[in-house]
Amino acid sequence: DGGITQSPKYLFRKEGQNVTLSCEQNLNHDAMYWYRQDPGQGLRLIYYSQIVNDFQKGDIAEGYSVSREKKESFPLTVTSAQKNPTAFYLCASSIGASGGNEQFFGPGTRLTVL
Amino acid sequence: GQQLNQSPQSMFIQEGEDVSMNCTSSSIFNTWLWYKQDPGEGPVLLIALYKAGELTSNGRLTAQFGITRKDSFLNISASIPSDVGIYFCAGHPSTQGGSEKLVFGKGTKLTVNP
Repeated sequence: DGGITQSPKYLFRKEGQNVTLSCEQNLNHDAMYWYRQDPGQGLRLIYYSQIVNDFQKGDIAEGYSVSREKKESFPLTVTSAQKNPTAFYLCASSIGASGGNEQFFGPGTRLTVL
Repeated sequence: GQQLNQSPQSMFIQEGEDVSMNCTSSSIFNTWLWYKQDPGEGPVLLIALYKAGELTSNGRLTAQFGITRKDSFLNISASIPSDVGIYFCAGHPSTQGGSEKLVFGKGTKLTVNP
């Protein structure tokens, strides 16, 4: 089945630790995105990548880092510099510049920092 | 940054009733998308609209791309309990050029009473 997977579904970390969230897609999409969702809020863009080995900051990139070494993978690291990391994190992908703007989402990872 | 105004924020309806929600912007959009998110899950794409005036249906759901290109509407007919969730609008601004980023509304939370 084609789709986007995120792991793990739930993640607990101690304050001050870095943590990496996984996002993999087998849709052959060029573009990938990371969003943060807080209770009762919409989606806020953290980072996005339109092509392998390239990525741009979104609206709330501070305290986060990403890499895009492979087309199918776009891991997000939540660093200790992120002041309020507890949130629901969503990864998405889209065809890219050659197609429409439809983004498809993974199931999300709920991060809780204790 | 650009914003989408989505209304209403929440709706409480009886099973069988029709539902209408909308998104508006102060700027022109090239694409309008409607998503549904169940609790603890990633958003699922319901309908994509690419032309001004376009009216598209997906089962009991109907969405329209406003003539002014600054708004979109989603209607759900004969609601059922499984329609419960948060509905998000999203759009691709015409001023964004080659970037694939979307702008998201804050969502409409729908509750359906059996």
